Amino acid sequence: AQTVTQSQPEMSVQEAETVTLSCTYDTSESDYYLFWYKQPPSRQMILVIRQEAYKQQNATENRFSVNFQKAAKSFSLKISDSQLGDAAMYFCAYFPDSNYQLIWGAGTKLIIKP
Amino acid sequence: DTGVSQDPRHKITKRGQNVTFRCDPISEHNRLYWYRQTLGQGPEFLTYFQNEAQLEKSRLLSDRFSAERPKGSFSTLEIQRTEQGDSAMYLCASSPPDEQFFGPGTRLTVL
Repeated sequence: AQTVTQSQPEMSVQEAETVTLSCTYDTSESDYYLFWYKQPPSRQMILVIRQEAYKQQNATENRFSVNFQKAAKSFSLKISDSQLGDAAMYFCAYFPDSNYQLIWGAGTKLIIKP
Repeated sequence: DTGVSQDPRHKITKRGQNVTFRCDPISEHNRLYWYRQTLGQGPEFLTYFQNEAQLEKSRLLSDRFSAERPKGSFSTLEIQRTEQGDSAMYLCASSPPDEQFFGPGTRLTVL
């Protein structure tokens, strides 16, 4: 079965510091996409970063970067220089190339301490 | 605004009433998804359209739930005979074949 596991229900970090959110997934497929989505309280789900499995280079979007380890089936999100506006639920999601359905992790609540 | 829109944003209804939600996807996206999300949980997949064809509906929560996407443009999600357990956020997303773009959601409260 294809599953996504986020082992950290909640993380907290001091403003301006760096935090890493972990995500592991289980699949037998070789082609797929991985995403990190952010959902602030009572706000819209927005895409933070995406990674295509065939790309060895880790994706980066400004202060957000991933550590994609395909063999280990690991896809962690690093947020550098944390800002108060980064406080949200973060969801890791897996999208197999052969299917239509996103497989979601349970989410990690990120708290930013001023 | 060229994002995904949903209407209404909030709906309060009495148990037993029918409700209908609308989703307008990004115009060039042929895939449209409906999800349900309860507090503190990730989205729960309900159904999926490719253009006007509903390709997966087995995950709809019961036969009280139905969805349509006439002409492959906007979509509606209807819940008949609402129950208190239906209270949740209902999310719509549209996509080209990979990345999904989400609307703001419709928050349903069943009294």
